[in-house]
Amino acid sequence: QTVVTQEPSFSVSPGGTVTLTCGLSSGSVSSTYYPSWYQQTPGQAPRTLIYSTSTRSSGVPDRFSGSILGNRAALTITGAQADDESNYYCALYIHSGIWVFGGGSRLTVL
Amino acid sequence: EVHLVESGGGFVQPGRSLRLSCAASGFTFDDYAMHWVRQAPGKGLEWVSGISWNSGSTNYADAVKGRFVIARDNTKRSLYLHLNSLKTEDTALYYCAKGTRLALTEGYFDSWGQGALVTVSA
Repeated sequence: QTVVTQEPSFSVSPGGTVTLTCGLSSGSVSSTYYPSWYQQTPGQAPRTLIYSTSTRSSGVPDRFSGSILGNRAALTITGAQADDESNYYCALYIHSGIWVFGGGSRLTVL
Repeated sequence: EVHLVESGGGFVQPGRSLRLSCAASGFTFDDYAMHWVRQAPGKGLEWVSGISWNSGSTNYADAVKGRFVIARDNTKRSLYLHLNSLKTEDTALYYCAKGTRLALTEGYFDSWGQGALVTVSA
């Protein structure tokens, strides 16, 4: 069974930079897993931020960026703002029409 | 603008069945694969199932394989999820999500509905 791992929580100061990562329980994440990232605030539907590793979805500010760092996918927020305080989920396309989400990272801006 | 509206959620006893629906508008429905993603109370997102543009291909997460059936009716611009043999652990908010390809291959989820709540309890 494929498990996608994310750090449970992060905190960042307003204006600061934070990098959230997304890994596999066994193996390395590469662009062939088409990593995507989603932002969700409590009570709201997810919002798509990044797809295909590093492409920003329409309307997403450029302070959000995606990449591969080492053996993990990464979401970097540069110049964090108060309304970035949310839960962030990555999703990986595993194979043959199967996707798996990570457990999510809760970001606190304080 | 893409609009996805789920319906059919409710309270159901373990072992019973339920059907969720998702009405789509704002895009060419039969040009895209569609998915169901769920979120248990206080938990993270979990991909449940996907279906290709022409229903030729379907896939399921291991947790629901053999119990849930995904379907679509392109003439009605609707996506469905038949939830059978329900378990308490199936309690979740079920989101309809639009894929970005015709087939169940690669891609991601680019639009989301607001979800339909399914509660399974005795």
